[in-house]
Amino acid sequence: EAGVTQFPSHSVIEKGQTVTLRCDPISGHDNLYWYRRVMGKEIKFLLHFVKESKQDESGMPNNRFLAERTGGTYSTLKVQPAELEDSGVYFCASSARAGGLGYTFGSGTRLTVV
Amino acid sequence: GQQLNQSPQSMFIQEGEDVSMNCTSSSIFNTWLWYKQDPGEGPVLLIALYKAGELTSNGRLTAQFGITRKDSFLNISASIPSDVGIYFCAGLNYGGSQGNLIFGKGTKLSVKP
Repeated sequence: EAGVTQFPSHSVIEKGQTVTLRCDPISGHDNLYWYRRVMGKEIKFLLHFVKESKQDESGMPNNRFLAERTGGTYSTLKVQPAELEDSGVYFCASSARAGGLGYTFGSGTRLTVV
Repeated sequence: GQQLNQSPQSMFIQEGEDVSMNCTSSSIFNTWLWYKQDPGEGPVLLIALYKAGELTSNGRLTAQFGITRKDSFLNISASIPSDVGIYFCAGLNYGGSQGNLIFGKGTKLSVKP
């Protein structure tokens, strides 16, 4: 079974540019989560999709972040325009059931904004 | 919001030594989880704890869910080089949060052969 796949693994962009991160969950997993870890801090929840619907987006930092999951398969997280404080590692996770157990995390996308 | 205090931040130990790390919270969790992150990878679940007072082992790992439901510890016995990585505790509440994890800041473990 393929795991959770994230693209790209690394991205370096200039402040003010746009970046789009992609996550392909495990096939059949309705629940998809985005988390972010800023250097040295905790991994923080961003949002949760159930199929194509946003179940909880309470962790999204501001309106520069836009997440989509059209068709309930892969998801994208766009940052526009990027700021220096957006740097960090963005993790995607998926699960068959909601509830945090049975999560499988992807390897993450390391975003550096310069 | 809910926060977890995880300590220590980092540990440098000799191979064969035992390791202990812990997490505390000001609020109650229904479930405590311990994850390990290897370099360049995402967190992988090590142990899940469901009941206050529960003590669970997974090989050389032992974790306990505090009786107050506000803390947990993880012990690693007889450490080996492949134990190197970042260990995260995470708390989970069902219901309103829909199972979103609250993570600690991590304990970075280095093992000297």
